[in-house]
Amino acid sequence: EPEVTQTPSHQVTQMGQEVILRCVPISNHLYFYWYRQILGQKVEFLVSFYNNEISEKSEIFDDQFSVERPDGSNFTLKIRSTKLEDSAMYFCASSGRDTTNLSGANVLTFGAGSRLTVL
Amino acid sequence: AQSVTQLGSHVSVSEGALVLLRCNYSSSVPPYLFWYVQYPNQGLQLLLKYTTGATLVKGINGFEAEFKKSETSFHLTKPSAHMSDAAEYFCAVTEQGGYQKVTFGTGTKLQVIP
Repeated sequence: EPEVTQTPSHQVTQMGQEVILRCVPISNHLYFYWYRQILGQKVEFLVSFYNNEISEKSEIFDDQFSVERPDGSNFTLKIRSTKLEDSAMYFCASSGRDTTNLSGANVLTFGAGSRLTVL
Repeated sequence: AQSVTQLGSHVSVSEGALVLLRCNYSSSVPPYLFWYVQYPNQGLQLLLKYTTGATLVKGINGFEAEFKKSETSFHLTKPSAHMSDAAEYFCAVTEQGGYQKVTFGTGTKLQVIP
C-alpha cells in the first residue's frame, strides 16, 4: 500500500537553529499538508499546499515557517530559527481524489512523523 | 468553521467489553468525518471514514461508527475490546466537496484492562 515517508524520524537541535523536515508524499496525490502534535496535545493543522502554493495556513504557521516542493517528489517544512515551543511531532500528509467516492473525499494519508526536540 | 469535540480524554474498558468513544462535530456545511488511531510512537492511521451514503461505516480491526446528523455525532464502537486496541483515537472532520484542512479533536486514550 502506498505510504507517506518522512525523514528524519527524530531530530534534536539547538534553539535558534534552522531545521528542515522532509516528506515524500504518495506519488499521485495533489494536496499536501503539515500538522504538528505537541506532546500530550491535539493534532494541529499548520499548512496545506496545492499546485505549488500554500492554499491555507493556520496562525501557528508564522514567518518562521516555510514549505517547499523543490522537485516532483519531496515536500519540505523549514523552521528558520527554532524555539523551545517548536518541540513537537510533525506529521506530513497527502491526499488526492478518492477513487472509491466520486465526491472526492479528502482522505489524508499520514506519515509516521518527525519528532523535533529543541534544546 | 468546523470543530470536533471528543468527550473523555481517557477511557478504560475491560478486555472483551464494549468500546464506545464519543465524538460530536460542528460544521456549517455537510461534513466528512473520520476516525484515526495512533499507537504509541507511531503516526496516524485511518480507521474509518464517512463521506456520503450509508451512515453506519465499518473500519479496520472491527471498529465501526455511525453518522447521526440529528445528533451531530459520529461515535466509534467496537463490540469486544482487545488488548491491541490500546491507543489514542482521534475524531476528525472536513467539509464535503473540497480539499480543505482536516480538523482533529483532542483525542481519547483507550486503555484496555486484562
